[in-house]
Amino acid sequence: GAGVSQTPSNKVTEKGKYVELRCDPISGHTALYWYRQSLGQGPEFLIYFQGTGAADDSGLPNDRFFAVRPEGSVSTLKIQRTERGDSAVYLCASSRTGRETQYFGPGTRLLVL
Amino acid sequence: QKEVEQNSGPLSVPEGAIASLNCTYSDRGSQSFFWYRQYSGKSPELIMSIYSNGDKEDGRFTAQLNKASQYVSLLIRDSQPSDSATYLCAVNKGSSNTGKLIFGQGTTLQVKP
Repeated sequence: GAGVSQTPSNKVTEKGKYVELRCDPISGHTALYWYRQSLGQGPEFLIYFQGTGAADDSGLPNDRFFAVRPEGSVSTLKIQRTERGDSAVYLCASSRTGRETQYFGPGTRLLVL
Repeated sequence: QKEVEQNSGPLSVPEGAIASLNCTYSDRGSQSFFWYRQYSGKSPELIMSIYSNGDKEDGRFTAQLNKASQYVSLLIRDSQPSDSATYLCAVNKGSSNTGKLIFGQGTTLQVKP
């Protein structure tokens, strides 16, 4: 079956702008995760959804970051008033339940100029 | 102290040799351990998962876990140039109600023909 998909694959924006990043998990996976990966570092956890609810948002760096998953499938990560430090690869992963293997999407490369 | 630590490398081995990748973690309550492989510009791909002390073998890969020493390793036998990638160690803190993974910074492996 299809894997995790993410759009766009690349996003260039200007400082202060708003961006939305989309993740479409593997069909039937109830758990969805967002991570952020900076160059030379491992992925850093942002938020975890179980179904429609955010079960753990402890990794969101500040209130400019917000994510939703209204129907328990597709998720959108929203970043307001982008800053240059937000530039990174944003990875989405899904798993069948909350404790099983996580499968990663190809990521969205965000560049804030 | 970082929660999950890896030597960033690069670790260079000749083709056909055994590559040994190491990882330590700080939370004694951690229950699940994963090795992901990440090629340059690509997303992480699961290589091995391990949950119990001891060794787990899958083809040319062996994961080793020692919870008393808070240490997990990955051995790659008969290393091939195609194994050249960054290897990420990830830990699930099973004591919490989340499946979020804590990643190390990754070890870059170079297999020279």
